[in-house]
Amino acid sequence: GQQLNQSPQSMFIQEGEDVSMNCTSSSIFNTWLWYKQDPGEGPVLLIALYKAGELTSNGRLTAQFGITRKDSFLNISASIPSDVGIYFCAGRIIQGAQKLVFGQGTRLTINP
Amino acid sequence: KAGVTQTPRYLIKTRGQQVTLSCSPISGHRSVSWYQQTPGQGLQFLFEYFSETQRNKGNFPGRFSGRQFSNSRSEMNVSTLELGDSALYLCASSLTGSHEQYFGPGTRLTVT
Repeated sequence: GQQLNQSPQSMFIQEGEDVSMNCTSSSIFNTWLWYKQDPGEGPVLLIALYKAGELTSNGRLTAQFGITRKDSFLNISASIPSDVGIYFCAGRIIQGAQKLVFGQGTRLTINP
Repeated sequence: KAGVTQTPRYLIKTRGQQVTLSCSPISGHRSVSWYQQTPGQGLQFLFEYFSETQRNKGNFPGRFSGRQFSNSRSEMNVSTLELGDSALYLCASSLTGSHEQYFGPGTRLTVT
């Protein structure tokens, strides 16, 4: 089945540092979504990407849809304590279908 | 506008029992998808419903089923529960034609 390889699996950083994580696949995706999940809650949509090469920002978050359509990355600038959580990438292969394939997540821990 | 709601939030069942989980999508959203989240397997797609019809199904056994009502509310049922069914079950809704899915807080099912 389709697989999304998300890295790194975990990150331990100092408050104020920038963060970068990415997802890669052997399959071509036509949509990339980035979510953040806090403990005991459902994932919250951060950024949606629809075109190869697209670069989209949401506050301190920036995400890009890879040119090959097989990868995407998420950057967080000037991290703050509330950025702590698990970040997931998700991709859609089938046009018009809602089925999402998720990466395994990146757990972000911030030392104040 | 209220978000996706799921009931109950927590559930404890014993092996062999069955369980029904409920999801109310965001008002105006007609597509509802269900996912299972476990530490080992991550987020896995179960099925998607639109206008009371199942449009897509993941690789889960027939013990997992669902339905959608005319008001877009959805239920999923798991029969003959197994220990491995312990997981966070997440429901997500989206607008017709949109690729963005919005998740509820999930139902934490524990099978003993």
